[in-house]
Amino acid sequence: EAQVTQNPRYLITVTGKKLTVTCSQNMNHEYMSWYRQDPGLGLRQIYYSMNVEVTDKGDVPEGYKVSRKEKRNFPLILESPSPNQTSLYFCASSLGGRISTDTQYFGPGTRLTVL
Amino acid sequence: KQEVTQIPAALSVPEGENLVLNCSFTDSAIYNLQWFRQDPGKGLTSLLLIQSSQREQTSGRLNASLDKSSGRSTLYIAASQPGDSATYLCASGAGSYQLTFGKGTKLSVIP
Repeated sequence: EAQVTQNPRYLITVTGKKLTVTCSQNMNHEYMSWYRQDPGLGLRQIYYSMNVEVTDKGDVPEGYKVSRKEKRNFPLILESPSPNQTSLYFCASSLGGRISTDTQYFGPGTRLTVL
Repeated sequence: KQEVTQIPAALSVPEGENLVLNCSFTDSAIYNLQWFRQDPGKGLTSLLLIQSSQREQTSGRLNASLDKSSGRSTLYIAASQPGDSATYLCASGAGSYQLTFGKGTKLSVIP
């Protein structure tokens, strides 16, 4: 089954404790992206990747890191999480780099709470 | 910077009614307009994608239109069903690699 998977689905952590949220897709997609969703603010893009070893900042990249060493994986790294990073996080992928024509497939989300 | 607005934020209709969800955007130089559905506790599911050269797309009971000149898109749902209850989000392709989302319209279809 074609899908985007994220792990963990739920995470409660404390301020400053490094964490990684994994994202994997099995559709051989070139483009992958991370979003956060907050009440009243909607979905905002954090980082995106056009292909292996090619990443760029979205609208809210501060406090996050990403890497794209393999085509299927795009982990989101919080080196020193803070309470304002408490949010619902989504990973997405699409076939090509031009999302103008390619449907975005979303993962199920990771709910992160930073105490 | 592109801004996408969805009004109303919430909508409640009786089962069987036809309804229209609205989406407006500030920059008409878009690549596409996409509509998504989000169920509680779940990710987004793509419903329809309209490329900038197109005027509308249809899938089953759903029809989405795009008017770039007025900066508007609508999602028409025919003969609504309780299973259509969800939050509907529109997003514009603000560049080749980025989507800008609206905050969504929460739809409740009452049996």
